[in-house]
Amino acid sequence: DVKVTQSSRYLVKRTGEKVFLECVQDMDHENMFWYRQDPGLGLRLIYFSYDVKMKEKGDIPEGYSVSREKKERFSLILESASTNQTSMYLCASRPAAGQSHGYTFGSGTRLTVV
Amino acid sequence: EDQVTQSPEALRLQEGESSSLNCSYTVSGLRGLFWYRQDPGKGPEFLFTLYSAGEEKEKERLKATLTKKESFLHITAPKPEDSATYLCAVQPGGSYIPTFGRGTSLIVHP
Repeated sequence: DVKVTQSSRYLVKRTGEKVFLECVQDMDHENMFWYRQDPGLGLRLIYFSYDVKMKEKGDIPEGYSVSREKKERFSLILESASTNQTSMYLCASRPAAGQSHGYTFGSGTRLTVV
Repeated sequence: EDQVTQSPEALRLQEGESSSLNCSYTVSGLRGLFWYRQDPGKGPEFLFTLYSAGEEKEKERLKATLTKKESFLHITAPKPEDSATYLCAVQPGGSYIPTFGRGTSLIVHP
């Protein structure tokens, strides 16, 4: 069963901490994405990566960075966590050949910054 | 600006009461329209991709249809386990990134 795995389901961090959210996919997909989902705002794209070592800013990249050193792994980094980054974070992937394919999403990480 | 609007925001049905969810869009061309199902506290699960007007896809009690301006997700004789939020996303022509709607929250009462 192919899947996208996010390392933590729930995470509580303190303001100012550096936070790493990890995402691994086992489908050999080229494209990977990080979204955050907030009530009333829907899904908002933070960063995406078309392939290894490539990254592109999405709609709300401020306060975040990403790393893609291996094809299967895409990490989201909160450089200095703030309370307004409390949210549900979703990782997704899709094959490059099917760039009009739907995404496969992970189960999400609910991050609370206190 | 590309826009995707889903209606209604919330829908309550009795078990067996068929209905439809709407996704209307304004984009420059259409590369694909996607439907997802999302259960509370989980990531969205891919349901369908529609590529051109007139296309239809079915899965169990769900049927998705597409016109040039909107898509419908028809739910026939729903069951309580169909309760979820249904998300629509539209990928414009010339873009590799879809725009998501805010979803319709469906509750099916037994």
